[in-house]
Amino acid sequence: EAGVTQSPTHLIKTRGQQATLRCSPISGHTSVYWYQQALGLGLQFLLWYDEGEERNRGNFPPRFSGRQFPNYSSELNVNALELEDSALYLCASSPTGWSTEAFFGQGTRLTVV
Amino acid sequence: DAKTTQPNSMESNEEEPVHLPCNHSTISGTDYIHWYRQLPSQGPEYVIHGLTSNVNNRMASLAIAEDRKSSTLILHRATLRDAAVYYCILRDVIEHTGNQFYFGTGTSLTVIP
Repeated sequence: EAGVTQSPTHLIKTRGQQATLRCSPISGHTSVYWYQQALGLGLQFLLWYDEGEERNRGNFPPRFSGRQFPNYSSELNVNALELEDSALYLCASSPTGWSTEAFFGQGTRLTVV
Repeated sequence: DAKTTQPNSMESNEEEPVHLPCNHSTISGTDYIHWYRQLPSQGPEYVIHGLTSNVNNRMASLAIAEDRKSSTLILHRATLRDAAVYYCILRDVIEHTGNQFYFGTGTSLTVIP
C-alpha cells in the first residue's frame, strides 16, 4: 500500500512569489493535515481538511491556504513568500478525523531566497 | 491545549533499554497520550498511544503514572535505527480536533553503538 506522497520534494522560490505544495493521502483516508517544520523549531500545525472542507487552521496568516479535492488529495498554497517561510512542509493523513494514528509523508523542503 | 515537558536529549547504548520521560501535569481526563518519533530526514511516525492503562505494541511500551501526570515511553532494546526525535503529545478526543497534534520540541535520542 502506498504511503502519503508529497510533491515536489524540494522547491526553491523567490521572496514574493507563490508556492504550491501537493499531497496525496493514503487510499481511503479522508483527513489531511499540513504542518510546518522550520529549522530549529518543532512541527507547527497549519491546516486540517476532512471530506473536502477546512476543519481547522493553526496560527498562521491568511496567505497560507489550501484545499482538498474530491479524491481527498490536497494542495497547500503559500502566497507572498517571505524568507521565514523556508521550512519542511509535512502532510499527514488519517482514515477519519477521529482516527488515533496519522501517517506522515516525507515532506516538501521549501526554500525562499 | 495541555502541554508536555520532555528532556531535550538522551543517550543510550545499543541493545539496552531506554526510558523516555514525559511530564503532563495539566492533563485532562479526556486527553490521550500519544508518542510519535521522527527519524532524520523523514516525517514523524506513530509509535504508541494510551489513556490510563499501560500499553504494549511491537515497537514500544507506554507506562502511564497512576495520576496520569507523567508517562514513560520504553524501548526495550535500543537499536541504531531508534535514533530519532521522540514527541510526547496530548490529544483531547472530546474537542473533535482530529489529528492536529501540537508537537513540542521532543527528545532527541542518540544510540551509541
